[in-house]
Amino acid sequence: QVQLQQSGAELVKPGSSVKISCKASGYTFTSYDMHWIKQQPGNGLEWIGWIYPGNGNTKYNQKFNGKATLTADKSSSTAYMQLSSLTSEDSAVYFCARRSLGGVMDAWGQGASVTVSS
Amino acid sequence: EIVLTQSPTTMAASPGEKVTLTCRASSSVSYMHWYQQKSGASPKLWIYDTSNRASGVPNRFSGSGSGTSYSLTISSMETEDAATYYCQQWSSNPLTFGSGTKLEIK
Repeated sequence: QVQLQQSGAELVKPGSSVKISCKASGYTFTSYDMHWIKQQPGNGLEWIGWIYPGNGNTKYNQKFNGKATLTADKSSSTAYMQLSSLTSEDSAVYFCARRSLGGVMDAWGQGASVTVSS
Repeated sequence: EIVLTQSPTTMAASPGEKVTLTCRASSSVSYMHWYQQKSGASPKLWIYDTSNRASGVPNRFSGSGSGTSYSLTISSMETEDAATYYCQQWSSNPLTFGSGTKLEIK
């Protein structure tokens, strides 16, 4: 079955960067877009962007340009998101999610918590 | 950017009660998708392409709508349906979600 396993919780300092991973299994990694979504405590869902691991193409929500960088490693079927210049506003749970051929997010990772604090 | 406004923000329903959640888009969209999220868990695809139930979703759930107005209906509320429901569109970039409706059991 399709599984997305994300890396663990991170406690990072303001101004630093963090890289979250999302390891895919149970399907052909290079054939599906991987999306990233942010959820701040008690808040809704915010789309960050997607990457197509087959060729590395990316598309970002303009709001996250310069904040998030999406990459993918085909050899390990792992997608990554790096967040830079972290502030308290970046404290959130970040999900990876596979986009189905039909265009919806049909499988989600368990979420990775990022806490920005000095 | 298409803004999705969900209503109500929070509601409580009794077991057996019919429930309707609404999602209004600031511009017309072709399809609406819905996700269910329980506390501490990841969202799950629930309804896709406006009216199709995802795998494993009980048939008491249905979706409908067009243009700027969409809804998710539960024909008979059950305890396990207590969750937050989010609508989502990708008719235009950026992909956007509604702010969610938190559905509680009375």
